[in-house]
Amino acid sequence: ETGVTQTPRHLVMGMTNKKSLKCEQHLGHNAMYWYKQSAKKPLELMFVYSLEERVENNSVPSRFSPECPNSSHLFLHLHTLQPEDSALYLCASSQVGRGSEKLFFGSGTQLSVL
Amino acid sequence: AQTVTQSQPEMSVQEAETVTLSCTYDTSESDYYLFWYKQPPSRQMILVIRQEAYKQQNATENRFSVNFQKAAKSFSLKISDSQLGDAAMYFCAYLTSGSRLTFGEGTQLTVNP
Repeated sequence: ETGVTQTPRHLVMGMTNKKSLKCEQHLGHNAMYWYKQSAKKPLELMFVYSLEERVENNSVPSRFSPECPNSSHLFLHLHTLQPEDSALYLCASSQVGRGSEKLFFGSGTQLSVL
Repeated sequence: AQTVTQSQPEMSVQEAETVTLSCTYDTSESDYYLFWYKQPPSRQMILVIRQEAYKQQNATENRFSVNFQKAAKSFSLKISDSQLGDAAMYFCAYLTSGSRLTFGEGTQLTVNP
């Protein structure tokens, strides 16, 4: 247990559905991240929130919409997804500051888009 | 842009033996962090070891140690006395000052009994 909890563990959705992924960290960190892990590809950074403000959006399609209501919670809202969006979505958190840089990851949500 | 390269898609080692996983990276920055993460079948991404670029001394965590060659931009992971529980996908990663973690493609490690 790393202190980062993701729900659900598995999600199957149709292309017209709307769903949300949830991430909660219990580590008192001030930054949270969404990563996408597809088969045969390196992990891709999607979004970064630092002090609850989005500081990076790596050209992610608008069908992915992040939300960070406070420093402990991070959501990824999904709508009108495509089959190629099927992947493992990993949440991570860190304490940004000199000497403290390390990311702690959740167990991920395995998403299948039909 | 920073890139991280792991040239070994798969590696295997006998239980109790030593194995070294390779990683190279490309950057123009002088201050950064390097990591090895382990991802077992449970999918949990677990931090194995961390190296600060401004430190010359190689990081060590029990059976895990690194060979950090800053000039060569090389960061290999050595696992000593390999155990069955070490079997996993291992990712090398580079962290910039802006907390952007860039991963390599991973090395699948098999430990044979």
